Amino acid sequence: AQSVTQLDSHVSVSEGTPVLLRCNYSSSYSPSLFWYVQHPNKGLQLLLKYTSAATLVKGINGFEAEFKKSETSFHLTKPSAHMSDAAEYFCVVSAYSSASKIIFGSGTRLSIRP
Amino acid sequence: EAGVVQSPRYKIIEKKQPVAFWCNPISGHNTLYWYLQNLGQGPELLIRYENEEAVDDSQLPKDRFSAERLKGVDSTLKIQPAELGDSAVYLCASSPGTSGGANEQFFGPGTRLTVL
Repeated sequence: AQSVTQLDSHVSVSEGTPVLLRCNYSSSYSPSLFWYVQHPNKGLQLLLKYTSAATLVKGINGFEAEFKKSETSFHLTKPSAHMSDAAEYFCVVSAYSSASKIIFGSGTRLSIRP
Repeated sequence: EAGVVQSPRYKIIEKKQPVAFWCNPISGHNTLYWYLQNLGQGPELLIRYENEEAVDDSQLPKDRFSAERLKGVDSTLKIQPAELGDSAVYLCASSPGTSGGANEQFFGPGTRLTVL
């Protein structure tokens, strides 16, 4: 069985300050983990993915995430928020098998204060 | 390169009516997904195809929902009859290869369904 929990439904930060979006997962298999971003009235876009290679994954637009197996976490971070980062962010877990299930988290809405 | 194409973008129907959504994936992508996204929630997988084969349809409500992917290219998702609770955005995505969920998914813009 697989599940994913995004610990914050809404995060608000000031422009130029760090961003932390939290994601915990559970999986019976070795998981692949993803972060997707959804801007208003735009399609979902991949930010980054972890597939059993390096545990620190760098993505687009300065985002990165660290896979911590002992904590079953895959938190998304960015050193300095930009106004254009305001969007909905989804953490996704998928098992690396032919019978994999793909589970999206409930999302975290990121707001950026000027 | 064209992205995932979905039509229609918006659909308003009365309950008990049938409705169909169409998706054309990125050329060469073997895997196609249909998701349902309710307002304020994450997408929920309805069905995943690898080429013509539906490899995961465990979350598809088969009493009213059906899907097909003839020739392993474009796909149609149908609801018959529609219920009020089916109002949502229906997303289509595709990915290259068939590695069981480890590939990046490319999403279409979605079809927003309103059932009155």
